[in-house]
Amino acid sequence: KAGVTQTPRYLIKTRGQQVTLSCSPISGHRSVSWYQQTPGQGLQFLFEYFSETQRNKGNFPGRFSGRQFSNSRSEMNVSTLELGDSALYLCASSLNPGQPNSPLHFGNGTRLTVT
Amino acid sequence: DQQVKQNSPSLSVQEGRISILNCDYTNSMFDYFLWYKKYPAEGPTFLISISSIKDKNEDGRFTVFLNKSAKHLSLHIVPSQPGDSAVYFCAATNNNDMRFGAGTRLTVKP
Repeated sequence: KAGVTQTPRYLIKTRGQQVTLSCSPISGHRSVSWYQQTPGQGLQFLFEYFSETQRNKGNFPGRFSGRQFSNSRSEMNVSTLELGDSALYLCASSLNPGQPNSPLHFGNGTRLTVT
Repeated sequence: DQQVKQNSPSLSVQEGRISILNCDYTNSMFDYFLWYKKYPAEGPTFLISISSIKDKNEDGRFTVFLNKSAKHLSLHIVPSQPGDSAVYFCAATNNNDMRFGAGTRLTVKP
């Protein structure tokens, strides 16, 4: 069974631009979550989607948005990029959202650098 | 707000000895706790978990202890091996989203 796939692996953008990151979950997983990882801050929760609906949202500005398609694939968009948005963006899928014994399966992330 | 805290950014132990990684949380509504392990250039992978109705869960060399009254959990690795060198994230959930700590980088020296 293929794991969680994130594309692209690396991305360099300039301030003010916008970016779209893509995530394909494990087959059969309908829940997709997005996290931002920065040094010293750990994994910061962005949002979670289930059945094309946003189920939960973290404390990020409205420049960060996402969506989920009918095949469970998800995209996240960041508009008007700032230098501080440089981070590793991780996508994770799970079988059953809200089920604590259903661990998250992470992709290898997209490394975004904003210059 | 940092609801899950890992106050030690790094830990170094000798091969064969015990590694103890600590985690504290503030939200008493959390009822399930997990540890993830992350190697460079890879996403985190699930390691072990514990429900709030238990105080200990063991899986091979890995044991997680939960002290609900202190809102504290710890991961014990015995014996530690060089392949255990990675960043360990503590996570907590209450059937909603999952919150992670900042991670502890464990280095196991041969």
